[in-house]
Amino acid sequence: ILNVEQSPQSLHVQEGDSTNFTCSFPSSNFYALHWYRWETAKSPEALFVMTLNGDEKKKGRISATLNTKEGYSYLYIKGSQPEDSATYLCAFRRVEGNEKLTFGTGTRLTIIP
Amino acid sequence: SQTIHQWPATLVQPVGSPLSLECTVEGTSNPNLYWYRQAAGRGLQLLFYSVGIGQISSEVPQNLSASRPQDRQFILSSKKLLLSDSGFYLCAWGILGHRANYGYTFGSGTRLTVV
Repeated sequence: ILNVEQSPQSLHVQEGDSTNFTCSFPSSNFYALHWYRWETAKSPEALFVMTLNGDEKKKGRISATLNTKEGYSYLYIKGSQPEDSATYLCAFRRVEGNEKLTFGTGTRLTIIP
Repeated sequence: SQTIHQWPATLVQPVGSPLSLECTVEGTSNPNLYWYRQAAGRGLQLLFYSVGIGQISSEVPQNLSASRPQDRQFILSSKKLLLSDSGFYLCAWGILGHRANYGYTFGSGTRLTVV
C-alpha cells in the first residue's frame, strides 16, 4: 500500500496572504507527482505534473517544487484570492509502466475575505 | 477536444439494490479509464482501472465490478449495494504514457447514497 500524505488537512488563510502545504510520498520507485485542484461542485482539475528532482512548476500565483530524494513536494500560493478556495490533491505515480495514480487525502484551503 | 461524460449526477438507492454507473469519453482513442471513490472524510481511492477493452484491474476487494465493453465506455456495477458503498464516484481518463506531461481528466462525478 502506497502512503501519500498531505498536510495540513485544512487551512484558513486571509485574502492576500501567501501559503504553502506539503505532499509526502515514497522516495523509492518514483516516476511522477501530480497536483490537482478540486473546487466544490466541480471536477478535480490538473495543475502540474512533475517528474524530475528539483523541478519547479508555476501557473499564475501557484507554484510547486519537488524533492524526489526525500519524497516531498510543496505547493505555494502567493497572494491568496477567494477563488483559490478548494481542496488541493497530490497524486503519486510509481515507476514507468504503472498506469495509475495514488492520491493523498488533500488539503482543504479556505480563503477568508 | 476530449470530453468525458458521467451519469447520473446523484443517486439514492436502497441497500441490496443493483448499481450501474456509466462513463464515456469522446475525442480520444484507447484512453486509460479509471473509477475512483471518495468516501466521507477520506481521499480518492482507486477502485478499478482499464488500459483497454475488456482489461480491468481491481484495486480494492469489494462488491463492485467494472467493465469496459467499448474503447471509450467504462461501467461500474454492483449486484447488491451495501451502506458502505455510499460516496462520491469519479470516472477519469488519462494517457499517462512515457513521461506524459498531463494528468487525468475527471468526469463530473456521481453522488451515491445507499439507504
